[in-house]
Amino acid sequence: AQTVTQSQPEMSVQEAETVTLSCTYDTSENNYYLFWYKQPPSRQMILVIRQEAYKQQNATENRFSVNFQKAAKSFSLKISDSQLGDTAMYFCAFIGANNAGNMLTFGGGTRLMVKP
Amino acid sequence: DTGVSQDPRHKITKRGQNVTFRCDPISEHNRLYWYRQTLGQGPEFLTYFQNEAQLEKSRLLSDRFSAERPKGSFSTLEIQRTEQGDSAMYLCASSSYRGNTEAFFGQGTRLTVV
Repeated sequence: AQTVTQSQPEMSVQEAETVTLSCTYDTSENNYYLFWYKQPPSRQMILVIRQEAYKQQNATENRFSVNFQKAAKSFSLKISDSQLGDTAMYFCAFIGANNAGNMLTFGGGTRLMVKP
Repeated sequence: DTGVSQDPRHKITKRGQNVTFRCDPISEHNRLYWYRQTLGQGPEFLTYFQNEAQLEKSRLLSDRFSAERPKGSFSTLEIQRTEQGDSAMYLCASSSYRGNTEAFFGQGTRLTVV
């Protein structure tokens, strides 16, 4: 069974600064997919960024980038130039390549507050 | 069709009553998932459908929980004889069967059992 751990329940950052959210996971699979989802208050969860484990290059999406360390089973999210709209819950999630149904396993989440 | 929609958004029910939630996925998506999210926690997978077939239901929390997707389009999640511990956000998501593509989530149904 896979587990995903987010060790930072809450974080805050000043607008325009950079923040890094941590995620570790445990799996015996060699191929898998990792995700960061954002859940704003009272709004639906949306995908922020995705990483395939077989790709060594870290994924980037505009102000969002990841630091994927496969050997350490670590998958952190860096948000650059933080904006007020980045305030949300952030969830790290995992899908094993052997998971035929593509069901996501989520971490417990990190609540991020961006302060003006 | 602008996304996954769930109805109702909020439901308050008395303990022991049955409740049913509906999810309408993105029209071209053939996979549909139900998750439960309790306060301050990440979503927990419950069940999923590929078209009308329910391919995984072992994670449903008890036999009081059941789900259907009769025509491979919308889905319903029913909880019978609700208990206070069932209070949570119930999330629906859909995706297409094409590798590990993005799952699109609805806004959820928040259930409160009093």
